[in-house]
Amino acid sequence: AQSVTQLDSQVPVFEEAPVELRCNYSSSVSVYLFWYVQYPNQGLQLLLKYLSGSTLVKGINGFEAEFNKSQTSFHLRKPSVHISDTAEYFCAVLPGRRALTFGSGTRLQVQP
Amino acid sequence: EPEVTQTPSHQVTQMGQEVILRCVPISNHLYFYWYRQILGQKVEFLVSFYNNEISEKSEIFDDQFSVERPDGSNFTLKIRSTKLEDSAMYFCASLLQPDTQYFGPGTRLTVL
Repeated sequence: AQSVTQLDSQVPVFEEAPVELRCNYSSSVSVYLFWYVQYPNQGLQLLLKYLSGSTLVKGINGFEAEFNKSQTSFHLRKPSVHISDTAEYFCAVLPGRRALTFGSGTRLQVQP
Repeated sequence: EPEVTQTPSHQVTQMGQEVILRCVPISNHLYFYWYRQILGQKVEFLVSFYNNEISEKSEIFDDQFSVERPDGSNFTLKIRSTKLEDSAMYFCASLLQPDTQYFGPGTRLTVL
């Protein structure tokens, strides 16, 4: 079985500051790792994914994430956030073609 | 860019009534999924569908739920007798292979 832990339910940050959203996972099999973003009243949009290869992956909107196998982490980072980044961010794992297991989400609140 | 569509965007129903939520996956995708998100909670897997049959389902997906692909384009989720606790946002997703699921905008189901 897989599980995903997002330790921070809310992260307030000022505009243009850096941010890190934490994600840890557990799995007995190799998994793919994803970050999805959900803007208010919208569906889930893929930000980035890790399948294999380089542990640093870059996604849309200036986000990046680093896969750390020893720490079973996949933290999301952005060096300078904008007001428009205010949203809910979900980390998820996928073992093969089976279902995504999501974390509980982190609400990023960017303040002016 | 092709996208997953869902109808209706919002469905209000009385407890005990049947509802059918509709999805049109991306046309050349082979795997289809339903997830739900109760307000303020994480996104939860319901069911996956491949080759015209259920490939996996969660413990949430009990006998009140069913899925169907009635033609070459639609993918439906039916809830036979809705309960108050079925109120949630329901997301459809589709997957070609091997890894990235594309989500629709969701249907908000409100059971009164």
